[in-house]
Amino acid sequence: AQSVAQPEDQVNVAEGNPLTVKCTYSVSGNPYLFWYVQYPNRGLQFLLKYITGDNLVKGSYGFEAEFNKSQTSFHLKKPSALVSDSALYFCAVRDIRTGGFKTIFGAGTRLFVKA
Amino acid sequence: DTEVTQTPKHLVMGMTNKKSLKCEQHMGHRAMYWYKQKAKKPPELMFVYSYEKLSINESVPSRFSPECPNSSLLNLHLHALQPEDSALYLCASSQGPGQGNTGELFFGEGSRLTVL
Repeated sequence: AQSVAQPEDQVNVAEGNPLTVKCTYSVSGNPYLFWYVQYPNRGLQFLLKYITGDNLVKGSYGFEAEFNKSQTSFHLKKPSALVSDSALYFCAVRDIRTGGFKTIFGAGTRLFVKA
Repeated sequence: DTEVTQTPKHLVMGMTNKKSLKCEQHMGHRAMYWYKQKAKKPPELMFVYSYEKLSINESVPSRFSPECPNSSLLNLHLHALQPEDSALYLCASSQGPGQGNTGELFFGEGSRLTVL
């Protein structure tokens, strides 16, 4: 079965410090991996994706993610956190068995950036 | 700014009411989705339309009835809902088969539904 795990319910980081939000996955075949962010009372916003190619992918708002096949991980990173980065972050994998229509989301990680 | 527009943003309805949620996208996407999201939880897939045809129904109760009038519009008709149906309902779109379909979803801001 395909699945995504986000081991941390919450991550706390000081403004200006680097941040990492962890994600591990279990899929059959080559994974299509995504990160989404959700601000309070808003819809989800697509941040970045890994399909193939370079293991380090860059996305919106200065975020990047590193794909590690051997560790089946896709951690989200940012070199310098901003208070405005505080939000709920979802890691996700596309379920290719359904023609790509189903996206499996992790449980979410709440990021708090303290000024 | 989102390119997927949902109306209304908020809806309060009684258990005997009939109401509809509406979604519109102008990105040329041929796949459209309805998700239900409870507080602090990931979105749960309800329905998927591909090229205006219903492709996936995740065993959603019949009190939720989707409709895709054309490639830009998606509706969710609501009737005889229960209080536990109160949630944020999210519409999303993506490229469909034959459009590349790398799979990223573009969400609207959601319609927050309260059932009394």
